[in-house]
Amino acid sequence: NAGVMQNPRHLVRRRGQEARLRCSPMKGHSHVYWYRQLPEEGLKFMVYLQKENIIDESGMPKERFSAEFPKEGPSILRIQQVVRGDSAAYFCASSRRQGPEDEQYFGPGTRLTVT
Amino acid sequence: AQSVSQHNHHVILSEAASLELGCNYSYGGTVNLFWYVQYPGQHLQLLLKYFSGDPLVKGIKGFEAEFIKSKFSFNLRKPSVQWSDTAEYFCAVNNNAGNMLTFGGGTRLMVKP
Repeated sequence: NAGVMQNPRHLVRRRGQEARLRCSPMKGHSHVYWYRQLPEEGLKFMVYLQKENIIDESGMPKERFSAEFPKEGPSILRIQQVVRGDSAAYFCASSRRQGPEDEQYFGPGTRLTVT
Repeated sequence: AQSVSQHNHHVILSEAASLELGCNYSYGGTVNLFWYVQYPGQHLQLLLKYFSGDPLVKGIKGFEAEFIKSKFSFNLRKPSVQWSDTAEYFCAVNNNAGNMLTFGGGTRLMVKP
């Protein structure tokens, strides 16, 4: 079974451009989570999605950030008009079901650098 | 809101030394506790988890952790580390809603051969 896939692994954007990060969950998993890791910090929860629904976006910045998980295709984290402070590693995780006993499996991350 | 503290940011040990990494959390309700490891260039992997029952949890690769409710702690231990344990270790908690993990800042462990 392939694990959680994220692409690209590295992304460089100039200030003001858009960044699109993709996450394909493990086969059979319908729950996706996005986390951000700023330099020298731990991972911070951003958003939790099921197919076609945003369940919890309490960790998402109010502006410029959006996420979707369409019926077909990967989950997308979109950052509009990127700024230097958006430089971070963005990790996606997936689980089969919602619940504390359902392990979240993590992808390798996308390292975003804003120049 | 729940939070997790890992007080050791960098730890350097020689092979065969014993390891203990501290993790403290703040949350008034029932929590589930996890330790994840990230080896260089790899993704996060689950080492062990605690939901209920025996507070001493055994994980993969000889790791164990003890949940001490009165101290709000979930420290990770290994009696004898190996060079291959060089990695970054993250403690995390979630509540019974289960949908988000709160992570500590991580501890970078370097094991010298």
